[in-house]
Amino acid sequence: NAGVTQTPKFQVLKTGQSMTLQCAQDMNHEYMSWYRQDPGMGLRLIHYSVGAGITDQGEVPNGYNVSRSTTEDFPLRLLSAAPSQTSVYFCASGGRENSPLHFGNGTRLTVT
Amino acid sequence: EDQVTQSPEALRLQEGESSSLNCSYTVSGLRGLFWYRQDPGKGPEFLFTLYSAGEEKEKERLKATLTKKESFLHITAPKPEDSATYLCAAKAAGNKLTFGGGTRVLVKP
Repeated sequence: NAGVTQTPKFQVLKTGQSMTLQCAQDMNHEYMSWYRQDPGMGLRLIHYSVGAGITDQGEVPNGYNVSRSTTEDFPLRLLSAAPSQTSVYFCASGGRENSPLHFGNGTRLTVT
Repeated sequence: EDQVTQSPEALRLQEGESSSLNCSYTVSGLRGLFWYRQDPGKGPEFLFTLYSAGEEKEKERLKATLTKKESFLHITAPKPEDSATYLCAAKAAGNKLTFGGGTRVLVKP
């Protein structure tokens, strides 16, 4: 039972490069989300999706794009990386309303 | 604006020394208060959900309680394996989840 799988685990980018962080879940959850975690800032919501074909912005969406073509996958795209996007990124999924989120083990991204 | 504040930021305990972590929240229409444990290099792992004031949940050496303004995570007779960062999060109306900054707990043998 894999749960939420994130790839890659580590990534180094140069300013201006683009990349996609992958997230897949095998629990048939409708809700999926992306957070970033920075020291002293806690987890902050970037984008979320309540089902295939539906996405919405969270607290810190600028510089990130998402799409949800299937229930299982929710990729996060950085179109032009900036040093301010250096962070640890977590994908999370959840089932029915008020059920807890299940998190992946994160992608540590460094932008130089 | 919804806010969740955890204290202390860090806690050093001797093995067996019980203590409590605090999570103060200000959200409109609380739908649930969640506690997570996070180990270094890992994602948060779900511990408890509390829905209403007065509710308590227990798991091994951990007990979570909820009032109208705050939640406590009590660690009884901790062991070194309880060392982790503990996160709380409040879910408001509209299903928005707001996380606190976490409390880093170190239990020394």
